[in-house]
Amino acid sequence: DGGITQSPKYLFRKEGQNVTLSCEQNLNHDAMYWYRQDPGQGLRLIYYSQIVNDFQKGDIAEGYSVSREKKESFPLTVTSAQKNPTAFYLCASSIQGPTGELFFGEGSRLTVL
Amino acid sequence: DAKTTQPTSMDCAEGRAANLPCNHSTISGNEYVYWYRQIHSQGPQYIIHGLKNNETNEMASLIITEDRKSSTLILPHATLRDTAVYYCIVSPSSNDYKLSFGAGTTVTVRA
Repeated sequence: DGGITQSPKYLFRKEGQNVTLSCEQNLNHDAMYWYRQDPGQGLRLIYYSQIVNDFQKGDIAEGYSVSREKKESFPLTVTSAQKNPTAFYLCASSIQGPTGELFFGEGSRLTVL
Repeated sequence: DAKTTQPTSMDCAEGRAANLPCNHSTISGNEYVYWYRQIHSQGPQYIIHGLKNNETNEMASLIITEDRKSSTLILPHATLRDTAVYYCIVSPSSNDYKLSFGAGTTVTVRA
């Protein structure tokens, strides 16, 4: 089945450690996105990518990094520079960018101990 | 900045229609209104979108006012499984990918 796969679903890390969240899609979509969601809050855009080998900062990019070496993959690294990394992270993709329907993964919940 | 305004929460009786309002008074002529919903701890799910005309699909109906400054999502026969957070968003122009989601409306369907 076509869709977006995020892994791991749950992740625990110690302070000072970098962690990479995986996002893979087999929908042949050009655009991919990473969002962060805190309890009771909406989704905030971290990074987005319109095409392979290109990505742009969203509203809260500090402390995060991404790469887009393949069309299907858009991994997110949460670095030790991110002050409050505990959150629910959502990856999405779309065929036409912001004017098209967004397809979301099931999310990755990161907890910093 | 959020481009839409939604009530924080609302309750609905099972089997009745749920009408979810959204204000988007600064919408531009080429911007679409999209609705998504998010069931607890899952990824958001697309519901419906529209530009000017009213739209209907198997999940819901979208009513957009003539001046396009507000819209209403209608769930015709709400079920307990419709309990979720509903997001109304305005899509930016084709050159602006910064699609933001506000806090949405928490809809609770009660038996």
